[in-house]
Order: sequence, then structure tokens, then C-alpha cells
Amino acid sequence: QITLKESGPTLVKPTQTLTLTCTFSGFSLTTSGVGVGWIRQPPGKALEWLALIYWNDDKRYSPSLKSRLTITKDTSKNQVVLTMTNMDPVDTATYYCAHRLEAVAAYRFDYWGQGTLVTVSS
Amino acid sequence: QPVLTQPPSASASLGASVTLTCTLSSGYSNYKVDWYQQRPGKGPRFVMRVGTGGIVGSKGDGIPDRFSVLGSGLNRYLTIKNIQEEDESDYHCGADHGSGSNFGYVFGTGTKVTVL
Repeated sequence: QITLKESGPTLVKPTQTLTLTCTFSGFSLTTSGVGVGWIRQPPGKALEWLALIYWNDDKRYSPSLKSRLTITKDTSKNQVVLTMTNMDPVDTATYYCAHRLEAVAAYRFDYWGQGTLVTVSS
Repeated sequence: QPVLTQPPSASASLGASVTLTCTLSSGYSNYKVDWYQQRPGKGPRFVMRVGTGGIVGSKGDGIPDRFSVLGSGLNRYLTIKNIQEEDESDYHCGADHGSGSNFGYVFGTGTKVTVL
């Protein structure tokens, strides 16, 4: 059974750096074809993909946010960490992590965490 | 990158059918689209992937048989037959674009489905 859970601060101040942790179980981030991604959703708005890290440590970032994002993994702890610098009130959103599978006829974000709401305010 | 367009809302009476549409922007007719269900206050749940040939791969875990997909031209459809109260959710479509170092992922704006 694959599960993911996001954790981190619920409130950050403008210009601060946000650090979010995704702790997962039921799969290994050393398995070929597996990745973990981050997606966010501002209140009442659409989902937005942020970043993705693969089993082989390849990383992908949203072009519009690339300069502010860093994604890393700790396979021994079954964790993926996302940092986002220079936070702004427009970054207020629920942040989700998701299991990514890339196999024949099976490319998908197929398991998601429950999300964590981050509010940016002074 | 493609733009995915979804109507903001749809509704159906209990037990009826509803079809949701995700429209790809021009030039992306060969793209596959993923459908996600998001119940109130929950994280999204993968439903299935669809291309012009229909479903790609398998459905997500626990997705009932009354969920089906079709694809035609720039449109990707998700149909829910015999709709139940538990199907009242937001439905999002998403798509991979690019590959390798140019990989990206885009989402539509979502459709809120109400069961009457």
C-alpha cells in the first residue's frame, strides 16, 4: 500500500524560504521508473506542477519557478524535500506530493498525499 | 506547452450519466491526458489516462467500472455512468509534455461535478 504525507510549516513570512517534506511508504525511490513530484493548489484555483525527482536523482522543475525550487531525496529515510525560496503571498496554497510511475503504458501520478496548506503572510 | 481547457461545472441526477471534457490546445492532438478525481478536502486520485485510442494502461486503484474514457481530436472525455453521491468531486485533467530535461506537466482548471 503506497502512502505519502506532506509536512512543514503552515505559516511563512514573505521573503522566507519554505521547506516541505514528503514522507512515503509502500515503495522505494531506488526502483527504476519511480519518482516523487510536488504539485500545489491555491485556494479555489487549479493544480500546478512544481518539481519531480526520479529514482536515479534526475530532477525536473517547472520553468516558471525553477529559479526558486530545489528538490532532493533521502532514500534511507523514504523522504523527498522541496525548498522554495523568496515566498510571496501568491504562493499560498495546498502543497501535495505524489508518487510518479514511468513504465510501459503506465506514466502517471498515481498516489497522492493529503496535502498541507501553507499560508504566506506577515 | 499545451493548454488544457475544462468547463467549470457539470451536474447530473443520481443514477444518470455525465461526460466531462478536457480540450487540448491546437497542435497537441496526439497528447494523452490523465484524469484525476478530487473529493472535497482530499488529495487528487488518479482515475485513468486517455489518448485518441481510448484508455492507456489501467485504471487507478479502486476506480469503478462506471468510469470510462474516450479521446477524439483535441478532446479527451471522462464519462461517469450511473453517477453516485460519492462521485461528487472536482475532476482535473493533466498532461505530460516534453521529455528528458524538458519534461513538464500541465493541468486543466478542473470541473466541479454536482450530483443532483
